[in-house]
Amino acid sequence: DAKTTQPTSMDCAEGRAANLPCNHSTISGNEYVYWYRQIHSQGPQYIIHGLKNNETNEMASLIITEDRKSSTLILPHATLRDTAVYYCIVRVATYNQGGKLIFGQGTELSVKP
Amino acid sequence: DAGVTQSPTHLIKTRGQQVTLRCSPKSGHDTVSWYQQALGQGPQFIFQYYEEEERQRGNFPDRFSGHQFPNYSSELNVNALLLGDSALYLCASSYLGELFFGEGSRLTVL
Repeated sequence: DAKTTQPTSMDCAEGRAANLPCNHSTISGNEYVYWYRQIHSQGPQYIIHGLKNNETNEMASLIITEDRKSSTLILPHATLRDTAVYYCIVRVATYNQGGKLIFGQGTELSVKP
Repeated sequence: DAGVTQSPTHLIKTRGQQVTLRCSPKSGHDTVSWYQQALGQGPQFIFQYYEEEERQRGNFPDRFSGHQFPNYSSELNVNALLLGDSALYLCASSYLGELFFGEGSRLTVL
């Protein structure tokens, strides 16, 4: 699985968009980009994933560059409850890989009033 | 629909003891994975169970073992506990898609 690089920490004002970058320059053609977040002392929570097209769901949007070497997770209107560590993970989404995620250090996002 | 449930939520053991942690997967999920998360670190993959067999394993010693039951629930066993085994142990379940995590079992080894 390819490695990812994320900033250690970021701040965002409440109500503004939070844009979290991730570099994955060694990503393979069959690897997806996944985002999880972990609020303090809770289990990680799935946010979104994508292969090469931009994706949007009720929680966030995922923008993947055309060369797939980087991506950005966008929380359109950050709230205080979005304060968490955000993990960007790349992995092959096949059945026998279902359980294994390689977490890095993640980005600690602080949403401030 | 209950999500992934883990028990116990907190426990304290002493060095050399053995511990068993339990996990019930989300309804309809047949694959269970276990992770160890030390303080300030991201979760580390321990192993994955599917059809009652260990299918993948991370870089953990044989002191870490597991089991999956016919109802897909799972146990994680750690023998000969070391101080360094103190961590949050997370269970995740999946079925052909993204993983859903439980809230974890926090183990303290004294």
